[in-house]
Amino acid sequence: GAVVSQHPSRVICKSGTSVKIECRSLDFQATTMFWYRQFPKKSLMLMATSNEGSKATYEQGVEKDKFLINHASLTLSTLTVTSAHPEDSSFYICSAEGAGAKNIQYFGAGTRLSVL
Amino acid sequence: GENVEQHPSTLSVQEGDSAVIKCTYSDSASNYFPWYKQELGKRPQLIIDIRSNVGEKKDQRIAVTLNKTAKHFSLHITETQPEDSAVYFCAASMVDYKLSFGAGTTVTVRA
Repeated sequence: GAVVSQHPSRVICKSGTSVKIECRSLDFQATTMFWYRQFPKKSLMLMATSNEGSKATYEQGVEKDKFLINHASLTLSTLTVTSAHPEDSSFYICSAEGAGAKNIQYFGAGTRLSVL
Repeated sequence: GENVEQHPSTLSVQEGDSAVIKCTYSDSASNYFPWYKQELGKRPQLIIDIRSNVGEKKDQRIAVTLNKTAKHFSLHITETQPEDSAVYFCAASMVDYKLSFGAGTTVTVRA
């Protein structure tokens, strides 16, 4: 199956710093990538949808200036958590949808962010 | 938007027994229904999916049924094994649209 690589897998940072998370589709071109946030023992909450070369579409309640998304190529999307605070600590997961497989999303391994 | 409800939230079964998880959705326009399995600390893995032009799909010990009239779909796992223990998420979407996930079901298979 399609492989999605997400880095880093774990980040521990001080409050006020910015953290960038990368999501790459390794063996296919991803027309659309998604960013989710997952709290312990909870479901995946969609934060935003990004299409290559255009601005991301954010879900209601998600601050676009807080969570910057860039989808510069068909294989790479990045999520930057700006000025992170302890309440931003969470598990962030990306997924990618291939052009030839509508709706099917392949997930990255996730990034556990801990803000001290 | 789409609202997906999933039941039960936890399910404990004896090894070898069957497990059934049910989901309902609200938007009749939804036509794609995947199921994901997520082990602790790992990525969600697509295990089976179904599109609205079929009512049932089977892959070895896993099957999914879809009732479009009632707007519900179910995951069936037969002959459960300890490695089936995980959190299972259902989801629903329309073509070219985002997935809406259920709240998840924690399945524990007792040896």
